[in-house]
Amino acid sequence: GEDVEQSLFLSVREGDSSVINCTYTDSSSTYLYWYKQEPGAGLQLLTYIFSNMDMKQDQRLTVLLNKKDKHLSLRIADTQTGDSAIYFCAESISQGNLIFGKGTKLSVKP
Amino acid sequence: DTGVSQNPRHKITKRGQNVTFRCDPISEHNRLYWYRQTLGQGPEFLTYFQNEAQLEKSRLLSDRFSAERPKGSFSTLEIQRTEQGDSAMYLCASSSVPRGYTFGSGTRLTVV
Repeated sequence: GEDVEQSLFLSVREGDSSVINCTYTDSSSTYLYWYKQEPGAGLQLLTYIFSNMDMKQDQRLTVLLNKKDKHLSLRIADTQTGDSAIYFCAESISQGNLIFGKGTKLSVKP
Repeated sequence: DTGVSQNPRHKITKRGQNVTFRCDPISEHNRLYWYRQTLGQGPEFLTYFQNEAQLEKSRLLSDRFSAERPKGSFSTLEIQRTEQGDSAMYLCASSSVPRGYTFGSGTRLTVV
């Protein structure tokens, strides 16, 4: 079945880069997503990448996709305390259905 | 347009009672999704509407759950005979294309 896996925790110092990794199983996924969730809030779409791309950059965010290994990563440059949150990787397996990982809790230390 | 709106934000109910949640999507979005999120987990897909048609349902959507989108605008999710295992955050999302969904802030259900 479909599964998305992420490491649960990441701790970085303010100003460093953060790299959050994700692996997925469904090779037919058309889009892969990164969402951010702050405590008590809904999910905020950060970025997404089409499966025929291998990289996408958007300001401080860089997404890398290795389709052969089914590996997705999110790099946040110059991480700030406001970036502290849970980050979810998700793959689309149909028009309505996103499969989410359990989320990576990013802690940014000043 | 203020995004996807969900009401209520919090609901506490006794086991066995029925509850109904409402979602108002972004007005030009014809696609609407319901997800459920429990503590420490990512959201899990429940169901998907395109306009008023319910096109996909997860096996998580037992016969106690029903969702409607009667006029292709707002949607309701009803849970009958609630159980403690139904306690979760219920998230609604909408989009105009099959990518980049916008989520609401969710309705947190606590069944006591």
